[in-house]
Amino acid sequence: KAGVTQTPRYLIKTRGQQVTLSCSPISGHRSVSWYQQTPGQGLQFLFEYFSETQRNKGNFPGRFSGRQFSNSRSEMNVSTLELGDSALYLCASRGESSYNSPLHFGNGTRLTVT
Amino acid sequence: AQTVTQSQPEMSVQEAETVTLSCTYDTSESDYYLFWYKQPPSRQMILVIRQEAYKQQNATENRFSVNFQKAAKSFSLKISDSQLGDAAMYFCACIDSNYQLIWGAGTKLIIKP
Repeated sequence: KAGVTQTPRYLIKTRGQQVTLSCSPISGHRSVSWYQQTPGQGLQFLFEYFSETQRNKGNFPGRFSGRQFSNSRSEMNVSTLELGDSALYLCASRGESSYNSPLHFGNGTRLTVT
Repeated sequence: AQTVTQSQPEMSVQEAETVTLSCTYDTSESDYYLFWYKQPPSRQMILVIRQEAYKQQNATENRFSVNFQKAAKSFSLKISDSQLGDAAMYFCACIDSNYQLIWGAGTKLIIKP
């Protein structure tokens, strides 16, 4: 089975622009979560989608949004980029609906905002 | 707020030796899961081991085992017979009351050949 695929691997944007990141979960997985990882704040939960519905959300401003398609692929969008949005964005899928089931992560998208 | 604390920013161990990474957590839940993930330079977060809080028996996965002390809210990871491929950042995580994974700051593990 193919793993979680995130595209692109690297992205450079300027302040004020918007960006869309993509995540394809493991086949059959209906849950997709997004995390932001920075040296200062560590790993922080952004949101989780299950069967096209957002079922959990972290404490991030409205500039961060996401969606999930019927094939379980997910996109995350960040509008009006700020320098502080520079981070590694990780996507993870899980095979069961339970929150306690293990997450399977992709290799992440490294976003640099200049 | 629930917190996960990893007090060791960096640890080093000689190849083939044993190392223990510390983790303490704070939760008001009575039933919860705890996880250890590793993140090698490839950036992909990989599950190492999972512990169910209601199970008294410590989880084991090959060379990896945990010392789970529920009363002390401690969840340490022991790596036996350390190998060069074990070099990575190790993160401890706990699910909070909002069903979100709360992560520790991580411990960088260095393996000396």
